[in-house]
Formats: sequence, structure tokens, C-alpha cells
Amino acid sequence: DGGITQSPKYLFRKEGQNVTLSCEQNLNHDAMYWYRQDPGQGLRLIYYSQIVNDFQKGDIAEGYSVSREKKESFPLTVTSAQKNPTAFYLCASGGVNRGNTEAFFGQGTRLTVV
Amino acid sequence: KNQVEQSPQSLIILEGKNCTLQCNYTVSPFSNLRWYKQDTGRGPVSLTIMTFSENTKSNGRYTATLDADTKQSSLHITASQLSDSASYICVVTVNDMRFGAGTRLTVKP
Repeated sequence: DGGITQSPKYLFRKEGQNVTLSCEQNLNHDAMYWYRQDPGQGLRLIYYSQIVNDFQKGDIAEGYSVSREKKESFPLTVTSAQKNPTAFYLCASGGVNRGNTEAFFGQGTRLTVV
Repeated sequence: KNQVEQSPQSLIILEGKNCTLQCNYTVSPFSNLRWYKQDTGRGPVSLTIMTFSENTKSNGRYTATLDADTKQSSLHITASQLSDSASYICVVTVNDMRFGAGTRLTVKP
């Protein structure tokens, strides 16, 4: 949707390993977000960033880390400290375009711990 | 407590029928309130967006309403189709986007 890309679409991780999910946008949006979705449940906010080199913890930040070195990129690292990492991860970006606020989501990354 | 509450949690209707989904929020004021449709395993797609001062917005068979006094929004779907089967998520934007848990709608033939 829009110009936001998540990769990979599917990801398998062994227990104890860190893994990084990619999120890139070409919409010139200032804000970017990471959400986690478990089966049958709503989205929960992990981290968000309103500007380059700054980010804030969301509701479930434990076991995750992020960086925002470039406006276009907001990678999420799922660390070995995350007790239950198997989930569907969604990245979103938001900003103002021609006076209108907009927000778009990527297509998601499904992470499975094996 | 979640700042955005949606009801019902799930809903089953017959094709061609209308339905209304509810969203109650506690955050105020906010920048905008959006309704998204999320197909299983996909990213949410925006249906409507309303600012704090708007009270209705339509997108085809989807009509969203907003009552700032009661802090409620609703999404009305007219003449439902099988392809309307999805999760519908209410999102309120303050400094960040706050999601409701969604309503899972199933349209049966």
C-alpha cells in the first residue's frame, strides 16, 4: 500500500537468534511505526519514530530494538530476549502530503520461530 | 486500558445486508480518526479518514461517522459483499497511531 515496503514477507528464526525486519518508505513521511499482530487480535505498538535519530517505545517494546538513521528506513530487530516472537509484524509510515495527512502500511512480515 | 475500544469483536451477516461497526475512544483531542480494512495476512488499507471537526465521510459503500461529544465513531457498510469479509480497525492519531482491536466481519452467501 502506498510506497512502503517490508521485507521479507516470511521469516523463520531459530530460538536464541536475533533477526532484523526491514521497512523502507519513499513517501517522505516523518513518522514510522512498528506493530505486532497475533492471531485473532488487534495491532499492538512496539516502537515509533517521529523524526530521524529519535524513536519512542510503544506498549510492547521489551525484546525489540529499532534504529532510525535515515528518514526512509526503520528496521526492527527481534532479539533473543523476546519470549514469544512468532507473530505478524506490520510497519507503517505517516505524514502530510499536499496538506492532507496520510498513513500507509506495509504488507507485513510473518515471523516464525522454529 | 485501551484508548480505542471496538465492538462487536466479531460479526456474521448475510450477503446484501447492512451492518454498523462501533469505535469508542478516550483520546481527545486527536489529529484524525481512520477506519482501515485488513484482509487476513495483509497490511491494513485505509477506508476513511476524518479530522476532529468532521462528522461523516463516505467511500463507496462505506460511511464513517464521528461524534466528538460522545467520543464515538461508527463504520456503516451498505449492501455487503462476500469481499467485505475482513477485519475493520479504528485508528486514532494523536502523537502516534492508537489502534482498536478490530471487528472481524464475515459475510456469508
